[in-house]
Amino acid sequence: DTGVSQDPRHKITKRGQNVTFRCDPISEHNRLYWYRQTLGQGPEFLTYFQNEAQLEKSRLLSDRFSAERPKGSFSTLEIQRTEQGDSAMYLCASSTGETQYFGPGTRLLVL
Amino acid sequence: QKEVEQNSGPLSVPEGAIASLNCTYSDRGSQSFFWYRQYSGKSPELIMFIYSNGDKEDGRFTAQLNKASQYVSLLIRDSQPSDSATYLCAVYPSDSNYQLIWGAGTKLIIKP
Repeated sequence: DTGVSQDPRHKITKRGQNVTFRCDPISEHNRLYWYRQTLGQGPEFLTYFQNEAQLEKSRLLSDRFSAERPKGSFSTLEIQRTEQGDSAMYLCASSTGETQYFGPGTRLLVL
Repeated sequence: QKEVEQNSGPLSVPEGAIASLNCTYSDRGSQSFFWYRQYSGKSPELIMFIYSNGDKEDGRFTAQLNKASQYVSLLIRDSQPSDSATYLCAVYPSDSNYQLIWGAGTKLIIKP
């Protein structure tokens, strides 16, 4: 089992640009989660997929954020018109039950 | 508002001693509790989970759960410098089995 992978690991972009991140969960994990984490805080829940269905999206998430999980395998998180406040670590986790396993994260810096 | 509270630290412990990390939660109906370790710049790594009142041991780590008092703790025996990290407590609230509520973490420093 190779674990959760995320790509890219680092992304620097200019304000107003769009960015897309990819997450490959542990094989056979039907649950997939996206989080955002800033310095000194715990992970903040963004969205949750069970197979290909997006079952929950944080009310704190603006319409600039969208996520997909086609065919219930990998997932993508897109941020449109990035803002400096979007700078954070974006974490993906997967599970079959309640125990979530995290990928290495994508660190985003918006200039 | 469902909350998980942790002392931010830093908690400084001599090498070889026992480190004790505490976490309180507001939702009395919570059933599942998790401890994650996070090194600086890295992602959270699962240490332990606990569901039942009492102690659960795994190597040098012991998780303790007291649902009546709504706290969960993590003990690290024979602390090593490699245990220096931020420890995050996470709890599933009574109305969800997918949206974890996270504490902000306790920074632990093990002094050689």
